[in-house]
Amino acid sequence: DAGVIQSPRHEVTEMGQEVTLRCKPISGHDYLFWYRQTMMRGLELLIYFNNNVPIDDSGMPEDRFSAKMPNASFSTLKIQPSEPRDSAVYFCASSLGQMGGYTFGSGTRLTVV
Amino acid sequence: QKEVEQNSGPLSVPEGAIASLNCTYSDRGSQSFFWYRQYSGKSPELIMFIYSNGDKEDGRFTAQLNKASQYVSLLIRDSQPSDSATYLCAVNLSGGYNKLIFGAGTRLAVHP
Repeated sequence: DAGVIQSPRHEVTEMGQEVTLRCKPISGHDYLFWYRQTMMRGLELLIYFNNNVPIDDSGMPEDRFSAKMPNASFSTLKIQPSEPRDSAVYFCASSLGQMGGYTFGSGTRLTVV
Repeated sequence: QKEVEQNSGPLSVPEGAIASLNCTYSDRGSQSFFWYRQYSGKSPELIMFIYSNGDKEDGRFTAQLNKASQYVSLLIRDSQPSDSATYLCAVNLSGGYNKLIFGAGTRLAVHP
């Protein structure tokens, strides 16, 4: 299995631009999570989906952030407009059921200048 | 109070020693607990999970859980320089959610 696949690995963008991060979960996994990691705040859960349906988006910081999961094999996290404080590593993770741990993707390092 | 608390470290141990990493959590109803290892610049990697009070062993790793004290720990025996990483404690919140909350992590340094 190829694991959780995220793209791009690195993204540098100017403030005010739209940024789209992509994730392909492990085939067969029914949960998908988006996390953000910074030195100051650690690993924060932004939103998660179960069977493509958003379950909890209470961690999404602002309306500038949105996430979609149009099918079981693809999800996007969009930031529009981006701001320098959005600079972080964004991880996507997936799991099968509720009892096991998550498998994380390699992450996208976002830098907003 | 943070939901999951860890000492940020660094915890420095000599090669071959036992490293002890600790974590406390605030949600008394939590049922599942995880330890992840994260090397610098890499993604978190699951190394242990535990659901029941007591100890769970896997190779050089032992996870310990005490729900009454809301405390979970990870012991690494015969520590190796390759164990040097940040160890993240994660707790699945109660209430039927599948929602892992992570601690800030403890940085472990194993020196030869």
